[in-house]
Amino acid sequence: DAGVIQSPRHEVTEMGQEVTLRCKPISGHDYLFWYRQTMMRGLELLIYFNNNVPIDDSGMPEDRFSAKMPNASFSTLKIQPSEPRDSAVYFCASSINYEQYFGPGTRLTVT
Amino acid sequence: GDSVTQMEGPVTLSEEAFLTINCTYTATGYPSLFWYVQYPGEGLQLLLKATKADDKGSNKGFEATYRKETTSFHLEKGSVQVSDSAVYFCALSDQNRGSTLGRLYFGRGTQLTVWP
Repeated sequence: DAGVIQSPRHEVTEMGQEVTLRCKPISGHDYLFWYRQTMMRGLELLIYFNNNVPIDDSGMPEDRFSAKMPNASFSTLKIQPSEPRDSAVYFCASSINYEQYFGPGTRLTVT
Repeated sequence: GDSVTQMEGPVTLSEEAFLTINCTYTATGYPSLFWYVQYPGEGLQLLLKATKADDKGSNKGFEATYRKETTSFHLEKGSVQVSDSAVYFCALSDQNRGSTLGRLYFGRGTQLTVWP
């Protein structure tokens, strides 16, 4: 199995631009999670899905952030417009039976 | 609510030293407990787990025992190596909480550095 796949691995963009992060979960997993990791705030859960349905989005910091899961094999996290404080590593994880498998992350830099 | 507290880092050890990273939890139900490890530039990886009281999880020389009486799940290794340098996260899942089924509650992580 290829594991959780995230793209791009690195993204550098200017403030105000739209950013879309992509995730392909492990086949057969029924949960998908989006996390953000920074030195200051550590690992934060942004949103998670069960069987493609959003369960809890209380961690999404602002209306500028949105996430979708149109099918079992794909999810996106969009930031529009982006701001420098959004700079972080964004992880996608999928799980079955409570064991979460993390992707390699997308390092986002907003200048 | 459910939460995990783990010892503040960073932890710096010499190779072959004994490692303990403390983790305590708060949960209303009967959680499963996990340790995850994050190597530089990578995502978190499951290191070990325990699903009920008195269970011992083990992997790669690391061990942790689920202690319900002290609500703890401390990570130990008898002889650390330079390659163990990473950030270690304690986590719990409360499988009896219907509204939050599936999510994990993570601690803030403990940075371990092992010197040769």
